Amino acid sequence: GAGVSQSPRYKVAKRGQDVALRCDPISGHVSLFWYQQALGQGPEFLTYFQNEAQLDKSGLPSDRFFAERPEGSVSTLKIQRTQQEDSAVYLCASSLTSGAYNEQFFGPGTRLTVL
Amino acid sequence: AQTVTQSQPEMSVQEAETVTLSCTYDTSESNYYLFWYKQPPSRQMILVIRQEAYKQQNATENRFSVNFQKAAKSFSLKISDSQLGDTAMYFCAFMKLGTGGGADGLTFGKGTHLIIQP
Repeated sequence: GAGVSQSPRYKVAKRGQDVALRCDPISGHVSLFWYQQALGQGPEFLTYFQNEAQLDKSGLPSDRFFAERPEGSVSTLKIQRTQQEDSAVYLCASSLTSGAYNEQFFGPGTRLTVL
Repeated sequence: AQTVTQSQPEMSVQEAETVTLSCTYDTSESNYYLFWYKQPPSRQMILVIRQEAYKQQNATENRFSVNFQKAAKSFSLKISDSQLGDTAMYFCAFMKLGTGGGADGLTFGKGTHLIIQP
């Protein structure tokens, strides 16, 4: 079956532009996570959805970052007025249930470059 | 807040050797989960092995095993009979229990770049 997919795979934005990054989780997966991975670093948690409910957004770095999952499936991470420090790979992951022990399946990521 | 430390930025071993990657973490939580993820050059993260903190028995998955020392807050990964395909970034990760005891985001270390030499 299909894994987690993300689009676009690469995005170049000028400083100040708004961007939207899409995540298609594995069909039927309840939990969805967003992470930010700077070059040479481990991923950092941004936000977590259980179905359409955003249960944890403690990792969003500023109010320029907004995520949604309105129908409990596809999710969009939106970054307003992009800054150079937003340049990173944005990873999406999904897991089958809300259980903590569940494996998170990761997508290939979207590499965002802000000029 | 939780922190995860991987003190080995890069390791290199010969094929078929055994290698151990170290990981320590800091938390005030009493129940949590620990994971090792592998990120090959294609960048898609893959789960290698996981451990529930309340289980004393160390997890094993074929050639991969962990040495979990809860009191020392240590969670090392041992790879036996290493293969060329094991070359990747390896990330240690921590998960505290979220709302209702369910999932929450992972806290990752900075990773260890493991190179298996032919």
